[in-house]
Amino acid sequence: DSGVTQTPKHLITATGQRVTLRCSPRSGDLSVYWYQQSLDQGLQFLIQYYNGEERAKGNILERFSAQQFPDLHSELNLSSLELGDSALYFCASSGTPYNSPLHFGNGTRLTVT
Amino acid sequence: GESVGLHLPTLSVQEGDNSIINCAYSNSASDYFIWYKQESGKGPQFIIDIRSNMDKRQGQRVTVLLNKTVKHLSLQIAATQPGDSAVYFCAENTGNQFYFGTGTSLTVIP
Repeated sequence: DSGVTQTPKHLITATGQRVTLRCSPRSGDLSVYWYQQSLDQGLQFLIQYYNGEERAKGNILERFSAQQFPDLHSELNLSSLELGDSALYFCASSGTPYNSPLHFGNGTRLTVT
Repeated sequence: GESVGLHLPTLSVQEGDNSIINCAYSNSASDYFIWYKQESGKGPQFIIDIRSNMDKRQGQRVTVLLNKTVKHLSLQIAATQPGDSAVYFCAENTGNQFYFGTGTSLTVIP
């Protein structure tokens, strides 16, 4: 158990809809990362927060947004969903922003129909 | 973007044999590397890491080798067990960014 909790585990929704994915980092970790993993694809970095502030942005679509709250949990909001957004979405946390391992949750599997 | 590639997308080994999973990275400025294991339906699990000031690091049944000259990383698993069957990713860290390879699928044959 990595200590990172993601909810929900599965999400099925229709195109055009909006969903929110939630992540609770490991106790004490200040950094939260969001990744997307599509079938046969590697982990694509979306966005990173450190202690409530956005630290880095990757290949995150404008339809997607995220935030990290004062209690350090994070939410990833996906809107105007398209079929191609179907993927596994992982949250990871780390203790420091530099050169420490990421610890991943078990992901949210999003299916857009 | 960065390029982290794997030489073999699949690898099958006999139970009890040693496994070697390779990874090439492209950024010579990368200074921190991690190997992850991902089982079906789960998130990537940290296995072992190595910093660029080292060329070898050992864990329990695993060894990571780093060759900075040719930008190559490998993961050696000793006495491979059925529970080692999974997808293995390498990741390189440049600055504050991690870049992941697509993974090698390891199958252990009983």
